[in-house]
Amino acid sequence: DAGVIQSPRHEVTEMGQEVTLRCKPISGHNSLFWYRQTMMRGLELLIYFNNNVPIDDSGMPEDRFSAKMPNASFSTLKIQPSEPRDSAVYFCASTLAGSTDTQYFGPGTRLTVL
Amino acid sequence: AQSVAQPEDQVNVAEGNPLTVKCTYSVSGNPYLFWYVQYPNRGLQFLLKYITGDNLVKGSYGFEAEFNKSQTSFHLKKPSALVSDSALYFCAVRYTGGGNKLTFGTGTQLKVEL
Repeated sequence: DAGVIQSPRHEVTEMGQEVTLRCKPISGHNSLFWYRQTMMRGLELLIYFNNNVPIDDSGMPEDRFSAKMPNASFSTLKIQPSEPRDSAVYFCASTLAGSTDTQYFGPGTRLTVL
Repeated sequence: AQSVAQPEDQVNVAEGNPLTVKCTYSVSGNPYLFWYVQYPNRGLQFLLKYITGDNLVKGSYGFEAEFNKSQTSFHLKKPSALVSDSALYFCAVRYTGGGNKLTFGTGTQLKVEL
């Protein structure tokens, strides 16, 4: 099992640019989560999907952030335009909806916005 | 609403000594409780979980946790700490009927010294 796959692992961009983070969940998992981790705010849930449908996006900071899940094996988190305060590590996690199973985390994408 | 408190930002322990990382929770309904560990520049890794049954749960790397309903606690323990246990530890909770959404604590940095 390859685990949750995220790309890129590191991203450095300039303020105002569009950033797209990608996630491939574990095969067979139908629940996917996007988190952001910073020193100041800790680990925050941004949005999660069940069966490709967004269930809770209350953690999405503002309209600059958007997330999609076009199919069961792929999700994107987009920031447009990016700002320096978006610098963080972004994690994707997946699990089987409705089960008592744990969430499995990807290695994260470290985003730096200059 | 559900919440998790990890009252200690950092715990220091000498190698070979027992360790405890504290966690208390607040949730409506029956809780599902989880511990994760995060090593530097890595994603969160699952350690153990409590769903139902025996209050003492054993997990990976010799860790265990005890569910205490009256004290609403789920402290992580290990009888003999190793330097390699040094990492950031997160407690998380979800409740039955609440979907797969986890609420994480702020994390406790464990430092095990020789």
